[in-house]
Amino acid sequence: DAKTTQPNSMESNEEEPVHLPCNHSTISGTDYIHWYRQLPSQGPEYVIHGLTSNVNNRMASLAIAEDRKSSTLILHRATLRDAAVYYCILRDLADYKLSFGAGTTVTVRA
Amino acid sequence: DAGVTQSPTHLIKTRGQQVTLRCSPISGHKSVSWYQQVLGQGPQFIFQYYEKEERGRGNFPDRFSARQFPNYSSELNVNALLLGDSALYLCASSLVLAGQQETQYFGPGTRLLVL
Repeated sequence: DAKTTQPNSMESNEEEPVHLPCNHSTISGTDYIHWYRQLPSQGPEYVIHGLTSNVNNRMASLAIAEDRKSSTLILHRATLRDAAVYYCILRDLADYKLSFGAGTTVTVRA
Repeated sequence: DAGVTQSPTHLIKTRGQQVTLRCSPISGHKSVSWYQQVLGQGPQFIFQYYEKEERGRGNFPDRFSARQFPNYSSELNVNALLLGDSALYLCASSLVLAGQQETQYFGPGTRLLVL
């Protein structure tokens, strides 16, 4: 499985943007970049995914570097409910499973 | 619509015992995956079942087994429990669409404590 590297933790203030980096220097051409998050005492939930182009949805934006060796998940205005562990996962189109790393623990200060 | 449901929510067993965990997928989802999450780590893939057939298996011993029923619900069985099996067991369901990345929807998990 291709590897991703994320910071262990990040802190943010409420109402401010959060930029979560993910390095994946060994990404292959068919790997999609997925982000899931896990709120306290809950199962993981899908956030966003992309292949080459930047992606936006109601939860977040995903910015993908031109060489695809890194990406950034952007939470535009953090709320206390965004405090969670965020996982960056590479997944081939034919891959049926999710390979989670340790993720980034995001703390949001009121 | 109801999400993925799992039962029981919590369970305490002793070493050597056997345990069965249950999962009901989102209506219309034919694929169910099981993950183990040890405290402080990310979830680790155990099994995936699709249309009642095992589609994939992670690096877990044969003490772990699973099955999927005609209504697409699933059971995870763990025999000869070890202390190290203490974890949160997560079930995820997905809608398999050819040529598309399937999103997995997770349940709240079953927390298993082995004493």
